[in-house]
Amino acid sequence: SAVISQKPSRDICQRGTSLTIQCQVDSQVTMMFWYRQQPGQSLTLIATANQGSEATYESGFVIDKFPISRPNLTFSTLTVSNMSPEDSSIYLCSVDGGSGGPGELFFGEGSRLTVL
Amino acid sequence: AQSVTQPDIHITVSEGASLELRCNYSYGATPYLFWYVQSPGQGLQLLLKYFSGDTLVQGIKGFEAEFKRSQSSFNLRKPSVHWSDAAEYFCAVGASNTDKLIFGTGTRLQVFP
Repeated sequence: SAVISQKPSRDICQRGTSLTIQCQVDSQVTMMFWYRQQPGQSLTLIATANQGSEATYESGFVIDKFPISRPNLTFSTLTVSNMSPEDSSIYLCSVDGGSGGPGELFFGEGSRLTVL
Repeated sequence: AQSVTQPDIHITVSEGASLELRCNYSYGATPYLFWYVQSPGQGLQLLLKYFSGDTLVQGIKGFEAEFKRSQSSFNLRKPSVHWSDAAEYFCAVGASNTDKLIFGTGTRLQVFP
């Protein structure tokens, strides 16, 4: 199993600003995933972050809006840039469960962003 | 297109009653299927998974799910619900060679004493 800590747990932001979310894992993991959970909607994968390489973004998400860093095997950040009210969501960090098989993910508690 | 449908947005049951949460999927290949639970203020936790073999799978917290290929369904069940089961439940589908999951919109379970 993996224990994932996210910061901040919640924040209220002004339109046009940027916010960086941190994700710390208690063990080394190859891949980290960033999801967005919009109110009343399902979780949507934003990007996959591998250490030492550029993040891979899903359709509809771009690096300029959601830059990701992955400096080592236990840490990643997601920045939400130039925020608008439509970016109000819960952002979740997750990692692969290791030996459990594909799709077995561990999730952080999420970062709830409200953009005014 | 690949998708997951959870028809019930909100379900309310009495404590001790049985529970069934519905999940239907559309997936081109043999799917890997998952149920995750999200308690208030918490991240998602894996309840159970289906990869292959026995179509009735057991999970944590007394939950089980049955894979029915003919119906493209993977419904979650529990014979007797506890108040602590109140949470949001997500069905998800994936493939054998990836950790990328497609999630349903979730079903919020409310439990009355």
